[in-house]
Amino acid sequence: NAGVTQTPKFRILKIGQSMTLQCAQDMNHNYMYWYRQDPGMGLKLIYYSVGAGITDKGEVPNGYNVSRSTTEYFPLRLELAAPSQTSVYFCASSYSSAGVDYGYTFGSGTRLTVV
Amino acid sequence: AQSVTQLDSHVSVSEGTPVLLRCNYSSSYSPSLFWYVQHPNKGLQLLLKYTSAATLVKGINGFEAEFKKSETSFHLTKPSAHMSDAAEYFCVVTDLLAGGTSYGKLTFGQGTILTVHP
Repeated sequence: NAGVTQTPKFRILKIGQSMTLQCAQDMNHNYMYWYRQDPGMGLKLIYYSVGAGITDKGEVPNGYNVSRSTTEYFPLRLELAAPSQTSVYFCASSYSSAGVDYGYTFGSGTRLTVV
Repeated sequence: AQSVTQLDSHVSVSEGTPVLLRCNYSSSYSPSLFWYVQHPNKGLQLLLKYTSAATLVKGINGFEAEFKKSETSFHLTKPSAHMSDAAEYFCVVTDLLAGGTSYGKLTFGQGTILTVHP
């Protein structure tokens, strides 16, 4: 049971390049999320999805895009990378039904540096 | 709207002494509250969660937290610190939105770094 798998673990990008952070979960969770973590700031929500084909903006969506064509995958796309996007990115998933949240599972993170 | 304030950015204790990490929250509806721990260069691990059952919640590794609605607090405690407890701790809240769903969106506190001295 792999849980939430993120790839790559580390990446260095040049300003203006683009890349996709991959996230996959094998728990059949309906909800998936992308967070970024900056020192002293906790985690901020970038985008989330409540099911396949449905995505919505979180707190800090600018500069990112997502898609969710299947339940399992929730990739995060960075277009025109900027130094401000240097951060650690966490993907997470959860199962919720009838207003009850059954818990969250986080991936191990992707450390991205934009130079 | 929901928010979380962790009252200490750094806490330093000696091994074997009690740990107290403070958290206050603001929530419009019935909150679920969590404490997560993150060791250096690692992911997030759930310590414990409160979801409107017993107000004293016991978690892993000897940690516990008490939900106090009148004080809007959810402080994390441990009777005796261990060197392996040194990490960053996050208090987290998720709200039930009107209609009874939350979409599971978590709001994180800024984090408290716990240092444990021998």
